[in-house]
Amino acid sequence: KAGVTQTPRYLIKTRGQQVTLSCSPISGHRSVSWYQQTPGQGLQFLFEYFSETQRNKGNFPGRFSGRQFSNSRSEMNVSTLELGDSALYLCASSLAMSALYGYTFGSGTRLTVV
Amino acid sequence: GENVEQHPSTLSVQEGDSAVIKCTYSDSASNYFPWYKQELGKRPQLIIDIRSNVGEKKDQRIAVTLNKTAKHFSLHITETQPEDSAVYFCAVIQGAQKLVFGQGTRLTINP
Repeated sequence: KAGVTQTPRYLIKTRGQQVTLSCSPISGHRSVSWYQQTPGQGLQFLFEYFSETQRNKGNFPGRFSGRQFSNSRSEMNVSTLELGDSALYLCASSLAMSALYGYTFGSGTRLTVV
Repeated sequence: GENVEQHPSTLSVQEGDSAVIKCTYSDSASNYFPWYKQELGKRPQLIIDIRSNVGEKKDQRIAVTLNKTAKHFSLHITETQPEDSAVYFCAVIQGAQKLVFGQGTRLTINP
């Protein structure tokens, strides 16, 4: 069965632009979480969605937003990009409502802001 | 919120030796503790997890131990091999819906 699919794999954007990243979870998984991974900060939680509802949000500015569709696919958007937004953005899906059953990560989208 | 500290940040061991990575957490209500392995350029993958109702879990050469009283848990890798070289992340569940990760440990296995 297909894993978690993230598109695109790589992106280069200019400061001030906006970007949309996509995540398709494993079939049947309804929970999708997003993380930002940087060398200095590790894996930082952005937000989590279940059945189109955002249940948790991390400590990121309002420029970071997301949504989930009825087919469980999720998108995250970053507006007014800053150099510090350069990172690997990972999404993870989970079968159940709870993270108690573990996450399966996608391969990530590497965003470079120049 | 939950705070997870992971040590050491880097670890180098000789092939065949054991490696131990330790994490401490702050929320005594946490009850799920997974470990992820991330090889260079790849996605993090779940390698082992433990729930709060057990103190130890093993899977071949890897094991995880949990001390709920002291609020720490550890990953043990025995008979290390070159393919064990990777970054390892511990995590703790917060509020049943979110995983909070440690900062990661870069493990290098020297031949």
